[in-house]
Amino acid sequence: NAGVTQTPKFQVLKTGQSMTLQCAQDMNHEYMSWYRQDPGMGLRLIHYSVGAGITDQGEVPNGYNVSRSTTEDFPLRLLSAAPSQTSVYFCASSYGEYPYNEQFFGPGTRLTVL
Amino acid sequence: GEDVEQSLFLSVREGDSSVINCTYTDSSSTYLYWYKQEPGAGLQLLTYIFSNMDMKQDQRLTVLLNKKDKHLSLRIADTQTGDSAIYFCAEDSQAGTALIFGKGTTLSVSS
Repeated sequence: NAGVTQTPKFQVLKTGQSMTLQCAQDMNHEYMSWYRQDPGMGLRLIHYSVGAGITDQGEVPNGYNVSRSTTEDFPLRLLSAAPSQTSVYFCASSYGEYPYNEQFFGPGTRLTVL
Repeated sequence: GEDVEQSLFLSVREGDSSVINCTYTDSSSTYLYWYKQEPGAGLQLLTYIFSNMDMKQDQRLTVLLNKKDKHLSLRIADTQTGDSAIYFCAEDSQAGTALIFGKGTTLSVSS
């Protein structure tokens, strides 16, 4: 199993550009999430999904869109990048609530918005 | 709302014990977790504790849970330089679909 994969690893954007961060998992996990990690802020939940076709907002959803057309993929879209979106983005997946919510993390995408 | 608090830095000498503390707000969380993040990598689950337990021991790791005070701690015995990392405390979100993380404690181990 490859686990959770994310592409790209690094990305530099100009303000106003759009892009999609890719996330895929091969563990047949129902739950998938996107977090952003900023210095001194820990990880904050952006969006999550409990299954194909079902998504919901987390703590910091503004400026981001998600969709979940398959169990395996959960892309994160930045519609119009802003410098405040400079961060490290982590995708995670889990079986769900049972037996416990162990999240498996991808290696992260480091995004810089100029 | 849901919130998890941790101290930001801890520095210890190799061979000493490390204790990382955490306080959380959601008393309905079924499990509480400790994740470890090594430089340039994603997070990995280190250990977890079921909310009806007071203590869990796993080799060099001891987790203590005080539900009354909503306090969680992680003790690492015989700390090694390879333990240098950021340690995150986490609880289940109220919806149970993701985790609420603390800001992370950076553990620095000197030889």
